[in-house]
Amino acid sequence: GQQVMQIPQYQHVQEGEDFTTYCNSSTTLSNIQWYKQRPGGHPVFLIQLVKSGEVKKQKRLTFQFGEAKKNSSLHITATQTTDVGTYFCAGQRRGGSQGNLIFGKGTKLSVKP
Amino acid sequence: NAGVTQTPKFQVLKTGQSMTLQCAQDMNHEYMSWYRQDPGMGLRLIHYSVGAGITDQGEVPNGYNVSRSTTEDFPLRLLSAAPSQTSVYFCASSYRQTNSPLHFGNGTRLTVT
Repeated sequence: GQQVMQIPQYQHVQEGEDFTTYCNSSTTLSNIQWYKQRPGGHPVFLIQLVKSGEVKKQKRLTFQFGEAKKNSSLHITATQTTDVGTYFCAGQRRGGSQGNLIFGKGTKLSVKP
Repeated sequence: NAGVTQTPKFQVLKTGQSMTLQCAQDMNHEYMSWYRQDPGMGLRLIHYSVGAGITDQGEVPNGYNVSRSTTEDFPLRLLSAAPSQTSVYFCASSYRQTNSPLHFGNGTRLTVT
């Protein structure tokens, strides 16, 4: 079945360093969503990408959707301790409903002050 | 708006016991779903509903039942709890069933002994 692979599983950075997590799907996606889960919390929606090659920015966060709509990335510039948490991508295949939203296993980010 | 409300926050069950996890949303969302989150496994979809009276199975439905008699409520029933059902459970809803951000509840941490 459809899979969404996310790497790396863990990332430890020094505060101020950059961070990137990658998401790859085995099939073409209709859209991809990104979520952040703080330790002990629940996933919180960050952004949705729909168009091929789309790039969106939220302050220090940059999200990209690949030209083939099979991969995506989240890049954080100059990490801060408030960025700590697990970042999930979730891909929705074409023609599918939210019931076909497949989550990656997440990248857990820790930031050393 | 309260958003997505889950109860209880914590629950300990003995093997074979039954219980219902409650989920309610006050945003008039069409779509509701239940996920379980286990270490290293990400978020896995248990059941979902695209509207009142309509439910469908997700990736890991065995051992769980759901119903959607109203737009607001989507309870998850464990008929005979097993240790393998020890997990954190999240209810999530979205305005539409496609291309729509998921809003998560705060989660229920369930332990089955």
